[in-house]
Amino acid sequence: NAGVTQTPKFRVLKTGQSMTLLCAQDMNHEYMYWYRQDPGMGLRLIHYSVGEGTTAKGEVPDGYNVSRLKKQNFLLGLESAAPSQTSVYFCASNKPQTYEQYFGPGTRLTVT
Amino acid sequence: AQSVTQPDIHITVSEGASLELRCNYSYGATPYLFWYVQSPGQGLQLLLKYFSGDTLVQGIKGFEAEFKRSQSSFNLRKPSVHWSDAAEYFCAVGAPLTRAGANNLFFGTGTRLTVIP
Repeated sequence: NAGVTQTPKFRVLKTGQSMTLLCAQDMNHEYMYWYRQDPGMGLRLIHYSVGEGTTAKGEVPDGYNVSRLKKQNFLLGLESAAPSQTSVYFCASNKPQTYEQYFGPGTRLTVT
Repeated sequence: AQSVTQPDIHITVSEGASLELRCNYSYGATPYLFWYVQSPGQGLQLLLKYFSGDTLVQGIKGFEAEFKRSQSSFNLRKPSVHWSDAAEYFCAVGAPLTRAGANNLFFGTGTRLTVIP
């Protein structure tokens, strides 16, 4: 039981490049979330999904897109990376009616 | 609006000393409160949570936290700190996103704990 895994662990992008971050969970959780963590700001919600094929915006969705084609996977895409998107990205998941979220190890992204 | 304040950015304690990390929250209804720990290069691990009931909650690794509604606080404590406790600690309050039960966790900015021998 791996829990929540994230790929890749590190990535460096140039401004304007695109990439996709993959989150996978093997706990059969309905809900999945993407957060970003910036120094001095805690974690902020980017997008979330309440089930396969459904996504919704969180607090800071601009510049990101997401997809949930399979229940166990939640993808975060950057179509045209900007330096302001340099951050550590965390994926999380949980079951309905539970507030406790399970987090992945994070992806450190640098945009130059 | 929901928010969490962790007033201490960095705390240094000696191994074996007691620890208290402060957390104040702002939330209109009964809060769902959490403490997470993040070791360097790692994800967030849940230490403990408060939903309702007993205001003193026990967590993993010997941590406990006390919910005080009158002070809007949820401080984390440990009677004797170990060197392995050095990490960053985040307090969070949960708020619903949908009626179906998805929720957002509003995090504080974290407190970095250094443990000296």
